[in-house]
Amino acid sequence: NAGVTQTPKFRVLKTGQSMTLLCAQDMNHEYMYWYRQDPGMGLRLIHYSVGEGTTAKGEVPDGYNVSRLKKQNFLLGLESAAPSQTSVYFCASSYPAGIYEQYFGPGTRLTVT
Amino acid sequence: AQSVTQLGSHVSVSEGALVLLRCNYSSSVPPYLFWYVQYPNQGLQLLLKYTSAATLVKGINGFEAEFKKSETSFHLTKPSAHMSDAAEYFCAVSERNTDKLIFGTGTRLQVFP
Repeated sequence: NAGVTQTPKFRVLKTGQSMTLLCAQDMNHEYMYWYRQDPGMGLRLIHYSVGEGTTAKGEVPDGYNVSRLKKQNFLLGLESAAPSQTSVYFCASSYPAGIYEQYFGPGTRLTVT
Repeated sequence: AQSVTQLGSHVSVSEGALVLLRCNYSSSVPPYLFWYVQYPNQGLQLLLKYTSAATLVKGINGFEAEFKKSETSFHLTKPSAHMSDAAEYFCAVSERNTDKLIFGTGTRLQVFP
């Protein structure tokens, strides 16, 4: 099992450019999440999905969009990147309900200049 | 709203010394609680979790945590630190009827020889 994988691992964008981050999981998890990690702020939830075809906003959704067309994939899009979106992005997946732990991908380091 | 407080953004110990990382949560109902570890340039991995079975929870790599309802705490301990324990540690809480984890801001553990 590969677990949770993320592509790309690194990316540099210019302000105003767009990109999509891909998350894939092979554990048949219903729930998937996108977080951003910034120094001193822990992990903040951007968007999440509780099943194929469903998405919901997290704590910091502005400037991001997501799609969950297939159960195993969760895409995070930046339509017009801003320097404030420079961060490390993590995807996670889990079984339903808060009792189950989340499994994390290795992260994508994004720099917006 | 649920929140998690990790006291001390940096903790330094000598190899062989006791490790104590503090976590307090705010909830009127005992939640589910988790400790995750993040090694440099990696994603988060689960150390241990509390799901209301036993108040003393044992995890991987010799770590354990004790749930204390009266103190709303879930501190992480290890009797003897090893150089390989150097990492960032995150406490997280999940309320029983929600789909989301709330993370603390993290504690970076340094281990000196």
